[in-house]
Amino acid sequence: GQQLNQSPQSMFIQEGEDVSMNCTSSSIFNTWLWYKQEPGEGPVLLIALYKAGELTSNGRLTAQFGITRKDSFLNISASIPSDVGIYFCAGQLEKAGNMLTFGGGTRLMVKP
Amino acid sequence: SAVISQKPSRDICQRGTSLTIQCQVDSQVTMMFWYRQQPGQSLTLIATANQGSEATYESGFVIDKFPISRPNLTFSTLTVSNMSPEDSSIYLCSVAPTGWETQYFGPGTRLLVL
Repeated sequence: GQQLNQSPQSMFIQEGEDVSMNCTSSSIFNTWLWYKQEPGEGPVLLIALYKAGELTSNGRLTAQFGITRKDSFLNISASIPSDVGIYFCAGQLEKAGNMLTFGGGTRLMVKP
Repeated sequence: SAVISQKPSRDICQRGTSLTIQCQVDSQVTMMFWYRQQPGQSLTLIATANQGSEATYESGFVIDKFPISRPNLTFSTLTVSNMSPEDSSIYLCSVAPTGWETQYFGPGTRLLVL
């Protein structure tokens, strides 16, 4: 299957710190989505990106669609304990219809 | 966005039995998807269940094992048949209400097979 590399796999940070995670691929994507999944819940859509170079914010979260269309990053500023969860990137490949390819996830832990 | 509910939220089943998972959406959507999330893993697409057509299964998933129904634009079911412990996972439905690739997920069904 298509490879979507998400890093880091996990992060353990102090409350108030900024966080950055990214997804990269050797393939071109038309859409990038970032989700957060908390224990016992389904993934919740945080940010959707539809154009190369697009930079979108949602509160303390900022995500960008890489100019090459092969990568995306998500930043969280001034982390708080409720940011804890697993963050997944997902992309729609240029030639894969409506199918989403998911990254392996970044597990974020925040120490108060 | 869309509000999605799933039933059951969790279940413990015996091997060899089958479980049918329901997905209900609060609005009419053409595109609906079923995913599996094994413990500690990412999401894997099982099948696409668009209303008015047969479900399309991804590599490694077959209709005999995971039959899907899509009787209308707000509802779908996924059956996990002849279960084994390896089927223990979270099963998630998602919808793409705008017709774009933006998908919204239900809360998931947590299945444990003994």
